[in-house]
Formats: sequence, C-alpha cells, structure tokens
Amino acid sequence: DAGVIQSPRHEVTEMGQEVTLRCKPISGHNSLFWYRQTMMRGLELLIYFNNNVPIDDSGMPEDRFSAKMPNASFSTLKIQPSEPRDSAVYFCASNPGTGITYEQYFGPGTRLTVT
Amino acid sequence: GQQLNQSPQSMFIQEGEDVSMNCTSSSIFNTWLWYKQEPGEGPVLLIALYKAGELTSNGRLTAQFGITRKDSFLNISASIPSDVGIYFCAVTFYNQGGKLIFGQGTELSVKP
Repeated sequence: DAGVIQSPRHEVTEMGQEVTLRCKPISGHNSLFWYRQTMMRGLELLIYFNNNVPIDDSGMPEDRFSAKMPNASFSTLKIQPSEPRDSAVYFCASNPGTGITYEQYFGPGTRLTVT
Repeated sequence: GQQLNQSPQSMFIQEGEDVSMNCTSSSIFNTWLWYKQEPGEGPVLLIALYKAGELTSNGRLTAQFGITRKDSFLNISASIPSDVGIYFCAVTFYNQGGKLIFGQGTELSVKP
C-alpha cells in the first residue's frame, strides 16, 4: 500500500519566491497534518484538517503561510513570499480518523532551502 | 504550552547492548506514541500506548505508559546497527483532534 506521498522531495528557491508543497495522504485517512522540522525547534505542528476542513491553524507561523485541502486525496502548503528562515523539512502526516486511532503516518518530507 | 522532556538527548552504544530512553511531562496525557526517524526520512511509528500502565512490545522494542500518565519509556534490547536514528516520543489529548506534541528526540548511535 502506498504511504503518504509528498512532492517535491527537495526545493531550493530564492527569497521572495512562492513555494508550494504537495501532499497525498493515505487513501481512506480522514485527517491530515502539516509539520515543520528544524534543529532549533524540533517537530512543530503547523495546521491540521479533518475531513478536508482546517481545524487548527494556530501553528502557522504567519500570514505568508497558507494551506488548503480541496479534496480527500490532496493538500498543499504554500509560502508566499518565502524567506531564508523558512528553510526546514516539511512533513505531511495522515491519520485514519481520530475517532479510530491517534496514530499518524508520515510522508518522507520536503526539504526546503530558501537562499 | 505543554512540553515533553525526553532523555537522554543522545546515546552512543555498542552493538548488542540494551538501550533505555524516557519521556516525562508535567501534564497528564491519554496517548503516548514512539516514533523513529532515520536520516532523510519521515518519522515511522513504532509503538502506540493508550492505557496507563500498558506495556507493549514490537520485536526487540518494549514501551510502557506510566501509571501517572505523565511518562513513558522505550527499551531496545540487543541493539543492532540498523537501530541508529532519532527516537521521538509524542503525546496527544482525546479532545485535541489528534494533535501530537513531540519530544526533542533521542539520537542513538550504535557501534558495530
């Protein structure tokens, strides 16, 4: 079975450019989570969706970050404009539904470098 | 906000040795999870614990959910080189929609 799929795996961009990260959750999973991982701050939850609806975006650093989930099999995390301090590994994770389990399954991540 | 204290931060051990790491919190949680992350990959779920006092094994790994619901430990027996990676504990509340809070991680190095 396919796990969580993320693209691209690596992204290098210049400051000020728009960046779009993509995620396909595991088929049948109802919850989707976006995380950011840095050496300084570890793994931080940015936003999560239940049944395609954003539930908690309190972890989104600022208005430059936005996330959408137009359907059950696709989500995007957009940064516009990007800044060097956004450089990090961004993970997407999915969960079958919090009424079933709290176990989250992570994708391989997108390593973002903003120069 | 809530914080998890995970220790040790790093461990350097010889192949064949047993390993123990733990996570503590000042708050009570309903679920404890243990993940392993290898370089260039996302965290992989190892063990999930749902009841205070629960002891669960997964191969050479054993984890326990503390009776006070404020701590958990993970043991690895007879370590092998492929055990290398960063181990994270994570917790959640039932009423938090599945949000996970992660510990800082324990980096494990195994010398063949």
